[in-house]
Amino acid sequence: EIVMTQSPATLSVSPGERATLSCRASQSVSSNLAWYQQKPGQGPRLLIYGASTRATGIPARFSGSGSGTEFTLIISSLQSEDFAVYYCQQYNNWLPYTFGQGTKLEI
Amino acid sequence: QVQLQESGPRLVKPSQTLSLTCTVSSGSIASGTSYWTWVRQPAGKGPVWIGRISAIGSTTYNPSLQSRVTLSLDTSNNQFSLKLTSVTAADTAVYYCATLPIQDGTAGWFDSWGQGTLVTVSA
Repeated sequence: EIVMTQSPATLSVSPGERATLSCRASQSVSSNLAWYQQKPGQGPRLLIYGASTRATGIPARFSGSGSGTEFTLIISSLQSEDFAVYYCQQYNNWLPYTFGQGTKLEI
Repeated sequence: QVQLQESGPRLVKPSQTLSLTCTVSSGSIASGTSYWTWVRQPAGKGPVWIGRISAIGSTTYNPSLQSRVTLSLDTSNNQFSLKLTSVTAADTAVYYCATLPIQDGTAGWFDSWGQGTLVTVSA
C-alpha cells in the first residue's frame, strides 16, 4: 500500500496570502494524484486531479504541481472560504486508493 | 453532477453488521460512467477507501477490509449499499458514498460525495 504523507499538519496564514501545501508518496505515483478540500460537516470536494488539472468550477487560484513522489498544492491570495482541511490521494496503485492525513489551513 | 445521500442506523453494537444505503439522484447507477464507492473517515483522520462497485455489479475491496465488506446495487431504486460484518469500535467513523468517474477505461479520483453519516459502534 502506498502511504501518502502531508506537511505541514497545520498551516497558519492570513487572507490574501499564498499557501503552499505538500504531499509525498512512499513510492512513485506518476501524476496520478488528486487534491480535495473538506470543510466541517461536509464531504471532501475535488479540487485537482492528474496532479495539476483543476476540477470543474474550481477557481484558478488553486494550482497543483509535481510528479513521482513529491506534489504541491498552491492557493494564491487566500479567501476566507479557503480555510479548511486539504487531502491528497493517489490512484496510481489503486488497490487500495490511499489518502494523506490532511493539512489544516487556518487563519 | 450526481447527488448522493447516505442512510442507515447510526448506532451498531459490537460484533453486529453495519448496513448503509446510498441513494443516487441526478444520475443513473446503471449508466456505466462511474464506479460507486464507499469511503470512511475516523474522527480527526484522513479518509479510507472501502470499496467500489461497477454498474454491472463487479466489486473491488480494500484488502484491509475485504473479508468483512460486501457492496451491492439496487438499480430499480437507484441505490447502492454497504455491509460491514463483525464490527468493533475501530469501525466507528463517518461513512461517505462517492463516485469514481471512469475516463479512458480508468478511474482514480472521487468527484461527487455525499454529506456523510456518522456510525458509532458501541454496546
